[in-house]
Amino acid sequence: SAVISQKPSRDICQRGTSLTIQCQVDSQVTMMFWYRQQPGQSLTLIATANQGSEATYESGFVIDKFPISRPNLTFSTLTVSNMSPEDSSIYLCSALNQEAGELFFGEGSRLTVL
Amino acid sequence: AQSVAQPEDQVNVAEGNPLTVKCTYSVSGNPYLFWYVQYPNRGLQFLLKYITGDNLVKGSYGFEAEFNKSQTSFHLKKPSALVSDSALYFCAVRDKSGGSYIPTFGRGTSLIVHP
Repeated sequence: SAVISQKPSRDICQRGTSLTIQCQVDSQVTMMFWYRQQPGQSLTLIATANQGSEATYESGFVIDKFPISRPNLTFSTLTVSNMSPEDSSIYLCSALNQEAGELFFGEGSRLTVL
Repeated sequence: AQSVAQPEDQVNVAEGNPLTVKCTYSVSGNPYLFWYVQYPNRGLQFLLKYITGDNLVKGSYGFEAEFNKSQTSFHLKKPSALVSDSALYFCAVRDKSGGSYIPTFGRGTSLIVHP
């Protein structure tokens, strides 16, 4: 299966700042997703990153807070804007192995907002 | 609609004993079922899946899972647990006829294997 590289792997950020997380897949994939995993919680889907068009956001997530880019079939970014301590979480990039049917994940980006 | 339940927040087992992590699901049609594992400070790793065919599915690290349609379950099992199996385990389901590629994840079960 493909390998996903995410960076940064972790960061400590100040309230009110923004941080962009990068996700690179080592092969072309049709579908990429961004998830949030709050401490001790399951995965919550933020959005589907669409290549060449605006991302599709899940209920409770908006583009102004979580702008997403997907310029090609191997790369996506997620920005967490105007951060507050409530945004402290693990953010996971994921891609679909369409032939096999399962998702594969990056190692996650662990953000702490002070 | 699709949903998945992992009824246990935590499972404790002694090393060498068999382990079971439970998962039940609900879909309108037929399911795709998945198990993932998350080791501390890591992303999710795919363990195994049921798509069609044999109800007993074998996966990575000696894990297996049994699809039971009548009980709508897909429990994860391993005959002999290792301390290194201690991790967070997620079950996920996707409805084959739902038209979406996005699975629904359970809340996760923390497996603790004691030496």
